[in-house]
Amino acid sequence: QVTLKESGPGILQPSQTLSLTCSFSGFLLSASSVGVGWIRQPSGKGLEWLATIGWEDVKHYNPSLKSRLTISKDTSNNQVFLKITSVDTADTGTYYCAHSGDWDYFDYWGQGVMVTVSS
Amino acid sequence: DIQMTQSPASLSASLGETVTIECRASEDIYNGLAWYQQKPGKSPQLLIYNANSLHTGVPSRFSGSGSGTQYSLKINSLQSEDVASYFCQQYYNYPLTFGSGTKLEIK
Repeated sequence: QVTLKESGPGILQPSQTLSLTCSFSGFLLSASSVGVGWIRQPSGKGLEWLATIGWEDVKHYNPSLKSRLTISKDTSNNQVFLKITSVDTADTGTYYCAHSGDWDYFDYWGQGVMVTVSS
Repeated sequence: DIQMTQSPASLSASLGETVTIECRASEDIYNGLAWYQQKPGKSPQLLIYNANSLHTGVPSRFSGSGSGTQYSLKINSLQSEDVASYFCQQYYNYPLTFGSGTKLEIK
């Protein structure tokens, strides 16, 4: 059974760095074609893909935020991390991590973690 | 970037009705399209991948079709539990992009 769960700080101030963790079970990120992606959603709005890391440590970023994003993984502990630097209020929303397989659609999602950027 | 134009933005239909949601890509995405359902307060759930393949456990009243730049999601025999927002996503090329969503309500 594939499960993913996001964790984060809840609230942070503008200009700080947001650090998110995705803890997963039921699959190995070392397995061929497996990836984990991060997607976010402002309250009441649409979905925005942020980044994906693959089994060979290949990383893809959304160019609109690329300079602020860093995705990484700890395969032995079944975790994926996302850092977003210099946050502002526009980064407020729910952040999801999700599993992808042979293709880059997301077949299993975490429950999401709410992040609020406020002074 | 490939832009995904989704329509309609909202939709109201009666129980038992058939509804269709459309997504148009700004270029050919060669069936690299997925559909998701997001119920209020929940995370998105995969319905369809490769434009027309039903994900495990998804009821057969959901179906996907299309090719090239035009794709659609059809829901037959609308049920009350289908109240949700629906999103398309292209994965033919990076950056991965989503449609703006369709909010489905029951009349």
